[in-house]
Amino acid sequence: EVQLVESGGGLVQPGGSLRLSCAASGFTFSSYSMNWVRQAPGKGLEWVSYISSSSSTIYYADSVKGRFTISRDNAKNSLYLQMNSLRAEDTAVYYCAREKKGGSWNDYYYYMDVWGKGTTVTVSS
Amino acid sequence: QSVLTQPPSASGTPGQRVTISCSGSSSNIGSNTVNWYQQLPGTAPKLLIYSNNQRPSGVPDRFSGSKSGTSASLAISGLQSEDEADYYCAAWDDSLNGRWVFGGGTKLTVL
Repeated sequence: EVQLVESGGGLVQPGGSLRLSCAASGFTFSSYSMNWVRQAPGKGLEWVSYISSSSSTIYYADSVKGRFTISRDNAKNSLYLQMNSLRAEDTAVYYCAREKKGGSWNDYYYYMDVWGKGTTVTVSS
Repeated sequence: QSVLTQPPSASGTPGQRVTISCSGSSSNIGSNTVNWYQQLPGTAPKLLIYSNNQRPSGVPDRFSGSKSGTSASLAISGLQSEDEADYYCAAWDDSLNGRWVFGGGTKLTVL
């Protein structure tokens, strides 16, 4: 069964750090790009970061650039999100999501097809 | 404020057909495909439609998607009570070195 399981969430004070993990199983993790997406309480989905299968390409949302670092260990089938200088507005459920590629040369399309259940991060004093 | 614009709410009675719109710009919907996600209360998002109008295996054909220019829409026919959920559109945005952008979400109520 294809599965993503996040962990590492918790309560942290403003300015603190946290490292989220996402364990993948049931598919060839090293073949897929991955994303982190978050959802603040009662709010919509917000994309956080993207990493390609080989870690050669990385993108961040402006709201986390310079504070968060995405990484992966293909040997361990794991995705990570190092979060530093945390703020109250980072409080959210954090989901990891697999990105799938379809289509053909010069006409590719992409979508997040598998999502984990999420891990909750609360930034509060 | 979300990059993609969706109505905050929609509603319908069982058996009805409802549509949810998603408006973007040339850098996202205008140049990339649109995906739709369904989020049932207290659960993770689930892929509903990809590449504008493709349904993943297991998604009923009551759900359909379309795209025209810089707008997209999700249609749900034969509305059922279990369709009550939040729906999000998403697209890759080519501006600012690339990023995924989502709509603000539409809360669908089955009356």
